[in-house]
Amino acid sequence: DGGITQSPKYLFRKEGQNVTLSCEQNLNHDAMYWYRQDPGQGLRLIYYSQIVNDFQKGDIAEGYSVSREKKESFPLTVTSAQKNPTAFYLCASSPALGGTGELFFGEGSRLTVL
Amino acid sequence: AQSVAQPEDQVNVAEGNPLTVKCTYSVSGNPYLFWYVQYPNRGLQFLLKYITGDNLVKGSYGFEAEFNKSQTSFHLKKPSALVSDSALYFCAVRVIPPGRGSTLGRLYFGRGTQLTVWP
Repeated sequence: DGGITQSPKYLFRKEGQNVTLSCEQNLNHDAMYWYRQDPGQGLRLIYYSQIVNDFQKGDIAEGYSVSREKKESFPLTVTSAQKNPTAFYLCASSPALGGTGELFFGEGSRLTVL
Repeated sequence: AQSVAQPEDQVNVAEGNPLTVKCTYSVSGNPYLFWYVQYPNRGLQFLLKYITGDNLVKGSYGFEAEFNKSQTSFHLKKPSALVSDSALYFCAVRVIPPGRGSTLGRLYFGRGTQLTVWP
């Protein structure tokens, strides 16, 4: 079945540690996205990528980093510079950055900083 | 700037009654509008979209939405609510501006509306 796989589902981290969230898609989509979800704030865009080896900052990129070495993969690293990293993180993809297509979402990763 | 507003944080309806979840938008071009649903600790699922054409759009699980250009609204509706419809609903808008730009194709999401359907 085609889809987006995020791992891990739940992750705990100590303050000062970096952590990497995995996102893999087998939909052959060019564009991929990372969103952060906090209660009452909706979805906020962290980073997006429309092609391999290219990505752009979203609205809240500070304290995060990404890479896009393969079309299928778009991992997100939450660095120790992110001051409030506890949140639900959602990865998504779409056929292209523009166009009429909807986004397809993974099941999310919940990060808790202890 | 592009924006989406969902004026109600919470909507409560009784099972069997019609439901409406409101969405208004502010864009500088022609909008593409979307509705998504999210169940607890899950990702978002696509419900329906408006691109062009008929203002009434039908989607998954019996949901429909009406695009109203003059009121810049895209309200989600269902004639008869089910308890299983209880979830968090997000409206989103994408604008394709003239020419190309770094924001081409981005979706802007509302803050979400929690729908609770009582048995």
